[in-house]
Amino acid sequence: EAAVTQSPRNKVTVTGGNVTLSCRQTNSHNYMYWYRQDTGHGLRLIHYSYGAGNLQIGDVPDGYKATRTTQEDFFLLLELASPSQTSLYFCASSDDITEVFFGKGTRLTVV
Amino acid sequence: QQKVQQSPESLIVPEGGMASLNCTSSDRNVDYFWWYRQHSGKSPKMLMSIFSNGEKEEGRFTVHLNKASLHTSLHIRDSQPSDSALYLCAASMGSGSWQLIFGSGTQLTVMP
Repeated sequence: EAAVTQSPRNKVTVTGGNVTLSCRQTNSHNYMYWYRQDTGHGLRLIHYSYGAGNLQIGDVPDGYKATRTTQEDFFLLLELASPSQTSLYFCASSDDITEVFFGKGTRLTVV
Repeated sequence: QQKVQQSPESLIVPEGGMASLNCTSSDRNVDYFWWYRQHSGKSPKMLMSIFSNGEKEEGRFTVHLNKASLHTSLHIRDSQPSDSALYLCAASMGSGSWQLIFGSGTQLTVMP
C-alpha cells in the first residue's frame, strides 16, 4: 500500500507562532494534497500540487502557505498561527484521482 | 454552501441491518464520486468509486449513481459493528480536475 508519512504527529504552538508540517510520500505519486479535518466540516482542501515546484490553491487557503520541494516532499506553513487553525491535518498523495492515499494525520493545537 | 452534501449526519442501525447513506453535489462540474471510510482515530481509506450511471456492488456494499441529479448513495447490507465509522463522500470537479472535494460525512454506528 502507498506510504505517506507526516511529521510531527502532534504539535502545540502559541498564537502568532510559526509552524511547518511535513509530508513525504515514497510512491512516486505526482499529486499531493493538504486537508484539514474539523467536526462538522469533513475534509477541506487547503493546497495541492501536481509536481515539484507546482502549487494549486484549494478551498480554504487563507493563512496557509505550501511548498513542494521535490516529488516526495510537500510542506504546509503557518506563519502566524491562530486558534482557528487548531485542527487535524492530513496529507495525501495520488498517482491519478482514482485513489488518494492519506497519511496518519498531524494534530495541531494553537493556544 | 458546501459543494458536496451528505445525509444523514449520523445513523444508527442494528447489527445485521441495512444502512443507507446519501450524497449530493450542487456543482454541475462534478463528474466522478468516491466513498471513503474513516474509522475512529485513523485516516480515511477509499471504499468504493463510481464513475458512471447505475449501480456497483462489492460484497455487502452497493453504490448507486444518478449523474443527472448528481446524487450517489451507499448501501451496506448485513451491517457489522466493524462497519461503524465516518463515511465520507468525495467528488472531483470536472474533467481533468485533480481537486477531490469531500462532504462533511455520515457517522455510522452499528449496534450489536
